[in-house]
Amino acid sequence: GAVVSQHPSRVICKSGTSVKIECRSLDFQATTMFWYRQFPKQSLMLMATSNEGSKATYEQGVEKDKFLINHASLTLSTLTVTSAHPEDSSFYICSAQPPSGVFGELFFGEGSRLTVL
Amino acid sequence: AQTVTQSQPEMSVQEAETVTLSCTYDTSENNYYLFWYKQPPSRQMILVIRQEAYKQQNATENRFSVNFQKAAKSFSLKISDSQLGDTAMYFCAFFYAGNNRKLIWGLGTSLAVNP
Repeated sequence: GAVVSQHPSRVICKSGTSVKIECRSLDFQATTMFWYRQFPKQSLMLMATSNEGSKATYEQGVEKDKFLINHASLTLSTLTVTSAHPEDSSFYICSAQPPSGVFGELFFGEGSRLTVL
Repeated sequence: AQTVTQSQPEMSVQEAETVTLSCTYDTSENNYYLFWYKQPPSRQMILVIRQEAYKQQNATENRFSVNFQKAAKSFSLKISDSQLGDTAMYFCAFFYAGNNRKLIWGLGTSLAVNP
């Protein structure tokens, strides 16, 4: 199956700093990637849809200036949590769908656990 | 609006036994896809099985099978011969192309397979 890699898997930062999380599709080109946030023992909450070469589409209630998404190439999307605060601590997951894949069948990165002190 | 409901927050099963996880959904669409995803303790989400709504035959993948009842809008997952490695969160998800290609997720069922 298709492979999506996410890095870093764990990151700890101080309050007020910015953290970048990378999501790469290793064996296919992804024009669209999705960023999710997951709280402990809860479902995935879609934050934004990352579109290659254009602006990301954010879900209602997600702060665009807080969560910056850049999809500069067909294999890489980045999520930057700016001026992070303890309430931003969470598990962030990216996913992508191969162009030849079944509608809705997503491949997921390993996830990134962010802890803001 | 589409919704997905998983009414069982937690379930447990003995190793080698069979367990069924329930999922219901609400939609007015006719052509859509349904998925079961598994999230083990390692946290990486993995596709378990998918079902195209236009197919009457229930999907099967080895020990995993679904009972798709389109009229009832029900999509349950049956795991046969449960193994310890099946311990995970299981999410039911709904997709149709018209919704900006976004998946609609259920809240998940935490399944524990006991030795």
